[in-house]
Amino acid sequence: IAGITQAPTSQILAAGRRMTLRCTQDMRHNAMYWYRQDLGLGLRLIHYSNTAGTTGKGEVPDGYSVSRANTDDFPLTLASAVPSQTSVYFCASSDGHGYTFGSGTRLTVV
Amino acid sequence: DQQVKQNSPSLSVQEGRISILNCDYTNSMFDYFLWYKKYPAEGPTFLISISSIKDKNEDGRFTVFLNKSAKHLSLHIVPSQPGDSAVYFCAAPGTGSARQLTFGSGTQLTVLP
Repeated sequence: IAGITQAPTSQILAAGRRMTLRCTQDMRHNAMYWYRQDLGLGLRLIHYSNTAGTTGKGEVPDGYSVSRANTDDFPLTLASAVPSQTSVYFCASSDGHGYTFGSGTRLTVV
Repeated sequence: DQQVKQNSPSLSVQEGRISILNCDYTNSMFDYFLWYKKYPAEGPTFLISISSIKDKNEDGRFTVFLNKSAKHLSLHIVPSQPGDSAVYFCAAPGTGSARQLTFGSGTQLTVLP
């Protein structure tokens, strides 16, 4: 089934640890995005990528980094996790018309 | 500055009645709007969209209305069903090259049987 795969589905992480959230799509969409969802705040954009090899900062990029080595993969890295990064993270992709979201990664930083 | 706003965090409606979810925006450059539905532990799924050149788009039980002069859109669900209970997000693609979506804060709809 075409779509977006995110891993892990959930994780408890000690503060200060490094963590990479994985995102893979099989739709050959050029654009990919990372959002975090927090209660009362909706989904906020962390980073995005127009196409392989390019990335850009969203609304809340601090503490996060991304890479886009190829079309399919768009990993999100927390270099040194802090409790305020406790959230649900969604990866999405777009072909310029529609947007497809993954099922999310629930991350708890303790 | 929140460019897309949903001022009602929750809404309860009786089964069979109409649900009306509202969304306001501030950026007059937005040319397209989308509604997403989200169940717990799942990603948002696309529901319906509307281009800024239209004032109404209908798809089955779902209709979206756009009032550009008021910078306001609304989603009507008729008749409402218990399976419609979910969080509904209004969103608009930005004008940048990545067309990244800007979301409202969401409205939790509960349809009571």
